[in-house]
Amino acid sequence: GQQVMQIPQYQHVQEGEDFTTYCNSSTTLSNIQWYKQRPGGHPVFLIQLVKSGEVKKQKRLTFQFGEAKKNSSLHITATQTTDVGTYFCAGSINTGTASKLTFGTGTRLQVTL
Amino acid sequence: DTAVSQTPKYLVTQMGNDKSIKCEQNLGHDTMYWYKQDSKKFLKIMFSYNNKELIINETVPNRFSPKSPDKAHLNLHINSLELGDSAVYFCASSQTETQYFGPGTRLLVL
Repeated sequence: GQQVMQIPQYQHVQEGEDFTTYCNSSTTLSNIQWYKQRPGGHPVFLIQLVKSGEVKKQKRLTFQFGEAKKNSSLHITATQTTDVGTYFCAGSINTGTASKLTFGTGTRLQVTL
Repeated sequence: DTAVSQTPKYLVTQMGNDKSIKCEQNLGHDTMYWYKQDSKKFLKIMFSYNNKELIINETVPNRFSPKSPDKAHLNLHINSLELGDSAVYFCASSQTETQYFGPGTRLLVL
């Protein structure tokens, strides 16, 4: 079955440092989404990328979708303590009857002062 | 107004018991889901319903039975609870690709 892996599993940075998480799918995706889950919270949608090679920015966050539509990355510039949480990519494949979202293994980000 | 709500928020029960978790969404979405998140934070889809019809049924023990009385509700009944069922269960809904998650139900089986 489809697998979506993320690296690293965990990263601890000091406030102000940059952070990147990488997402790799075993199959070609129709699109990829990113979610953030704060400690004790639920996943919250951040963004969706659809086109091959697409790059989108949200303030300090930069999202990329690979040319082959099998990988993606999320880069955070100058992290803040509010960035703490687990970041999930989620790859979508059209199965014909429905779109199925497979979540990545997640990267937990810890930011300290 | 909460978009996707779940009850109960916490559930502590003994092995072998039967329990239900309820989910409601007021977003008017056609599709609803149940996910299981284990202690390592892996988020795995269990079921998906579209307009009350089951469309995704992953490899889940048949002790888990979803039920959708209408498109705004998706409940999850679990028979003969086991220790390994301890996890956070998230309900979600979607109309397009984006999924909106409920706050989660933290289930602990003793």
